[in-house]
Amino acid sequence: DTGVSQNPRHKITKRGQNVTFRCDPISEHNRLYWYRQTLGQGPEFLTYFQNEAQLEKSRLLSDRFSAERPKGSFSTLEIQRTEQGDSAMYLCASSPGTGVQETQYFGPGTRLLVL
Amino acid sequence: AQKITQTQPGMFVQEKEAVTLDCTYDTSDPSYGLFWYKQPSSGEMIFLIYQGSYDQQNATEGRYSLNFQKARKSANLVISASQLGDSAMYFCAMREGYPKGNKLVFGAGTILRVKS
Repeated sequence: DTGVSQNPRHKITKRGQNVTFRCDPISEHNRLYWYRQTLGQGPEFLTYFQNEAQLEKSRLLSDRFSAERPKGSFSTLEIQRTEQGDSAMYLCASSPGTGVQETQYFGPGTRLLVL
Repeated sequence: AQKITQTQPGMFVQEKEAVTLDCTYDTSDPSYGLFWYKQPSSGEMIFLIYQGSYDQQNATEGRYSLNFQKARKSANLVISASQLGDSAMYFCAMREGYPKGNKLVFGAGTILRVKS
């Protein structure tokens, strides 16, 4: 399977704990995106990488959130001191380029539940 | 300002019939792309169809077609010959051109239920 993969698929944690999610994009896709989707809503942009450089961060990405893509391949999204409001689906997507026509291909997502 | 509006929270369609899912958008950028994604209950976002702002013809992909009316800023998805497996959430999304074109902006979605 050469699609976008995300791990874990589900995560339950207690408030105040740290969590880390991993995304493996389609190989040779140099753009990687993170989105958050809450129940009944469309995905909202969090951040994106061009290779290893993080080029844009949404205001939704508070200082408790950090994302990395150290070698321009896989990416991690860490949430520190989780809050119940962080409960959501975290989606990763990748695309090969930068034009308006470039399709973003999504992974299966990580469902986070903060108790 | 909301950039993507999907006014139909839910739709029902009889199996084998066609259905239209509405999407209107707002942008002042002359270069943009419009996308439709399907999200089954499993959660994965599945790309369906793309329409570019400069494309002269409406996009088609199998049973999916996009009714693009630029002056009205609408990009409605038409699904022909509906199948039970089409039951899912459908999202319209827009990507603007440089320098804003780094993300997709999604609508709130429309739940489609196909009845047998």
